[in-house]
Amino acid sequence: DVKVTQSSRYLVKRTGEKVFLECVQDMDHENMFWYRQDPGLGLRLIYFSYDVKMKEKGDIPEGYSVSREKKERFSLILESASTNQTSMYLCASSLIQGYQGEQYFGPGTRLTVT
Amino acid sequence: LAKTTQPISMDSYEGQEVNITCSHNNIATNDYITWYQQFPSQGPRFIIQGYKTKVTNEVASLFIPADRKSSTLSLPRVSLSDTAVYYCLVGGPYGSGNTGKLIFGQGTTLQVKP
Repeated sequence: DVKVTQSSRYLVKRTGEKVFLECVQDMDHENMFWYRQDPGLGLRLIYFSYDVKMKEKGDIPEGYSVSREKKERFSLILESASTNQTSMYLCASSLIQGYQGEQYFGPGTRLTVT
Repeated sequence: LAKTTQPISMDSYEGQEVNITCSHNNIATNDYITWYQQFPSQGPRFIIQGYKTKVTNEVASLFIPADRKSSTLSLPRVSLSDTAVYYCLVGGPYGSGNTGKLIFGQGTTLQVKP
């Protein structure tokens, strides 16, 4: 089975801190994604990566950056956390290039910024 | 961008067939339609994907009319364990000209009652 793991299930950070969210997949997938999920807004794409060191902005990239130095690992970075970034963050990966491939999601990281 | 619209919530009873419709009026030629299921505290899980007409797998069917401006997820004989949020996703392959942005619907909360 494909496994997507995220570094933390729950995280509490202070405003202004630099935050790293890590995601690892074990199936050699080309594509990896970061979403945030908020009540009433569903899932919104922050960034995705289609290859090592390659990235593409999603719907809401402002305030975030990403890093993909190795194929299996995709990191989401909040350079200076703010309270409006309190959310559930979901990582996903997919094999087929592009979006029509099935995405495998991790369990999510619930980030609270105080 | 192919914006999607789904009902916010639906109720059903065990053993009934449930149909959830997603509207996507601006779907692009290369876009696929994918449905995901999400339980509380978990990441979404792939259910089914299609491009046109009808697709069926072991858990659901997906009906897509000729104009592809909507799609209907059909769950046969639901049980209590089907209580979840269901998301409709429209997106195409990277580089297809659709600006690379994935659009998730806001999700439909299905409540199955005994």
